[in-house]
Amino acid sequence: GQQLNQSPQSMFIQEGEDVSMNCTSSSIFNTWLWYKQDPGEGPVLLIALYKAGELTSNGRLTAQFGITRKDSFLNISASIPSDVGIYFCAARIQGAQKLVFGQGTRLTINP
Amino acid sequence: SAVISQKPSRDICQRGTSLTIQCQVDSQVTMMFWYRQQPGQSLTLIATANQGSEATYESGFVIDKFPISRPNLTFSTLTVSNMSPEDSSIYLCSVADSGAGVLTFGAGSRLTVL
Repeated sequence: GQQLNQSPQSMFIQEGEDVSMNCTSSSIFNTWLWYKQDPGEGPVLLIALYKAGELTSNGRLTAQFGITRKDSFLNISASIPSDVGIYFCAARIQGAQKLVFGQGTRLTINP
Repeated sequence: SAVISQKPSRDICQRGTSLTIQCQVDSQVTMMFWYRQQPGQSLTLIATANQGSEATYESGFVIDKFPISRPNLTFSTLTVSNMSPEDSSIYLCSVADSGAGVLTFGAGSRLTVL
């Protein structure tokens, strides 16, 4: 079935550093999404990507839908303490409503 | 986007008992999804619940273990039956935002089975 391989699994960075994470798959997807989950909360949508090659920003966050439709990356610039959490990529195949999720990237920031 | 309320937010349960989780949405939605998130893990889809029809279960999940109700377009329940410690997880309700094609999630129900 469709699987998303997300890396890295965890990151320990200093405040102010840039962050990069990615998801890859052997399957083709029509939608790529990036979510953030804080402790005790459900995932919250950060960025949605709908077209191969699309590059979208949301404040300090930038994500791209890979040209092969099999991958996506998320960058966070100038990290701040509130960026701490778990980031998940998610993707959907054409015609489906359900999402498949990556394993998550746990971001820890040292002040 | 839709606002989703889940109850209970957390519970501690005894082995062999069953617990029903409620999901209330502030707007009418066609499809509702139930996900499981085991400790330190990603989200795995349990089933898709449509109003007026039987839920569609993913591989590895069965109706006897996870019965779902969907009595109307704003409400659904998931029951975790005959619980064992392996069922200790966060159970998340989500709905599809038909316009944007994304899922919005509730805060989750954290179950601990002793």
